[in-house]
Amino acid sequence: NAGVMQNPRHLVRRRGQEARLRCSPMKGHSHVYWYRQLPEEGLKFMVYLQKENIIDESGMPKERFSAEFPKEGPSILRIQQVVRGDSAAYFCASSPAHPTNEKLFFGSGTQLSVL
Amino acid sequence: KNEVEQSPQNLTAQEGEFITINCSYSVGISALHWLQQHPGGGIVSLFMLSSGKKKHGRLIATINIQEKHSSLHITASHPRDSAVYICAVRSGGDSNYQLIWGAGTKLIIKP
Repeated sequence: NAGVMQNPRHLVRRRGQEARLRCSPMKGHSHVYWYRQLPEEGLKFMVYLQKENIIDESGMPKERFSAEFPKEGPSILRIQQVVRGDSAAYFCASSPAHPTNEKLFFGSGTQLSVL
Repeated sequence: KNEVEQSPQNLTAQEGEFITINCSYSVGISALHWLQQHPGGGIVSLFMLSSGKKKHGRLIATINIQEKHSSLHITASHPRDSAVYICAVRSGGDSNYQLIWGAGTKLIIKP
């Protein structure tokens, strides 16, 4: 039973390019969360999605960032026109049901470096 | 003041020592998580607590709801325990799917 899969593991982009980060939740999990971790800082919530729905995107910047979790396929976090300040580790987590008291399972993260 | 405070920020100990990492929070919660982040970056969920105490191998987690405090203990510590340990709480409010994260405690166990 594969865990949460994130790819790519490392992503290098030049300023102005687009970054696409993928997250495949654990089998049977329909809730996905994206977090960002800046160097030497803790994780910060970005967005919470269920299949085909964005439940809460209050932690995501209003511009350049978008997320989706289609009926088929992985969840995608998309960053358009990347800037150096977007350089961070982006983690995805999934849970099986309404997460009131469910454990979260994390992917290994995508390290985004913007040159 | 952060809603979730961890102490200490950094901890260096010798192999075999008993380790305690503390987490205090100021909000009402429905659950508290302890997670481990290794130098490679991967995050592993260790415990989820809403009351009492849980044990897994050499790891013990306790929570005191009245005092809004939780501790993570490691017995017979080993260099492979070196990691950042993170406390996160799920608030009891409407947005109870969000986790409020502590800044982490960086633990180094020397052989």
